[in-house]
Amino acid sequence: AQSVTQLDSQVPVFEEAPVELRCNYSSSVSVYLFWYVQYPNQGLQLLLKYLSGSTLVKGINGFEAEFNKSQTSFHLRKPSVHISDTAEYFCAVRGLGGSEKLVFGKGTKLTVNP
Amino acid sequence: GAGVSQSPSNKVTEKGKDVELRCDPISGHTALYWYRQSLGQGLEFLIYFQGNSAPDKSGLPSDRFSAERTGGSVSTLTIQRTQQEDSAVYLCASSLELEQFFGPGTRLTVL
Repeated sequence: AQSVTQLDSQVPVFEEAPVELRCNYSSSVSVYLFWYVQYPNQGLQLLLKYLSGSTLVKGINGFEAEFNKSQTSFHLRKPSVHISDTAEYFCAVRGLGGSEKLVFGKGTKLTVNP
Repeated sequence: GAGVSQSPSNKVTEKGKDVELRCDPISGHTALYWYRQSLGQGLEFLIYFQGNSAPDKSGLPSDRFSAERTGGSVSTLTIQRTQQEDSAVYLCASSLELEQFFGPGTRLTVL
């Protein structure tokens, strides 16, 4: 079984500041990792995914994440945020070879202030 | 192209009534998933369909919940004898390979 911990439930930042949203996972098997974003009253949109290969993954809207197997982490970063990045961000994990379901973290609410 | 669609977008019902939630996946996607998003529990997996295989029902919280997928396309999630704790946003997703595409969800409120 897998589990995901998002260490910060809320992250307030100022516009143009850098941001890091933290995600740690637990799994007895190898995993695929995902970050999704949810804007108010909308569904989930995939930001980026790690399947294999390079541990630094680039996604949409200038976001990137780094897979660290030894620390079982997959932190999301953006060097300069915009007001429009205000949303809830979810880290998710799927184990290889088992069920295709996603296991989600509790989410991090990112608020970008002017 | 068209994404995953869900209907209704909002549903208000009285405790004890049955409800049906519908999901239209992206055409050609073989896998379909239902998740529930609630304030206390976050995003939880409910059920997963893959082609003609038996569905993975391991996330259904009680026997009041059931789902079917007709013709490998449209899916209906049914909740019988609704309870207040069933209030949540029910999300449907579909996939062809590894990426799951989510619909906008159905917000269910049980009074």
